[in-house]
Amino acid sequence: EVQLVESGGGLVKPGSSLKLSCVASGFTFSSYGMHWIRQAPKKGLEWIALIYYDSSNKYYADSVKGRFTISRDNSKNTLYLEMNSLRSEDTAMYYCATGSFDYWGQGVMVTVSS
Amino acid sequence: DIQMNQTPSTLSMSIGERVIINCHASEIINTWLSWHQQKPENAPQLLISKASNFHTEVPSRFSGSGSGTDYSLSSSSLEPEDIATYYCVQAKSLPNTFGAGTKLELK
Repeated sequence: EVQLVESGGGLVKPGSSLKLSCVASGFTFSSYGMHWIRQAPKKGLEWIALIYYDSSNKYYADSVKGRFTISRDNSKNTLYLEMNSLRSEDTAMYYCATGSFDYWGQGVMVTVSS
Repeated sequence: DIQMNQTPSTLSMSIGERVIINCHASEIINTWLSWHQQKPENAPQLLISKASNFHTEVPSRFSGSGSGTDYSLSSSSLEPEDIATYYCVQAKSLPNTFGAGTKLELK
């Protein structure tokens, strides 16, 4: 059974940093690209980042480019999202998902507020 | 960026009725489109990939179709467990873009 489990969310102040993790199991993690997608409260889904299976390429939405960094550790079956210079508009549920959006994690909440 | 225009934004239907949700892409996406169901307080789940391919354990009442710029998700007969918000997403090019969602409600 494929499982994606996010962690690392919480309440932080504007300008702070946070690092999310997504632990994968039930499939060959090292063979698949992975995404981060977010959903602001009562809003729709927004794609924010993609990393290739071997970390050779990384892509970002304009809204997070230069502030967020996607990475992965295939030896630990873990995907990361490092978020810097957080803003109130980054408040959202953050989901990881496999490369074709076949499987999603349960999400982790990030709240940016003073 | 490819824009995804998803309609309608809200749909009020009765149990047993046929449901159709549409997504129009701002350019040709060559069936690189998937449909996702999000029940309240839950993560999205894949229903249909590559415009018309069923994901594992998706009820057969759901189907996807389309080509070029226009795609549809259908349910032949609405069941109570289908109450959710549905999203399309294009994977033709980055940034991958989602439709704004269709909230399916019971009439």
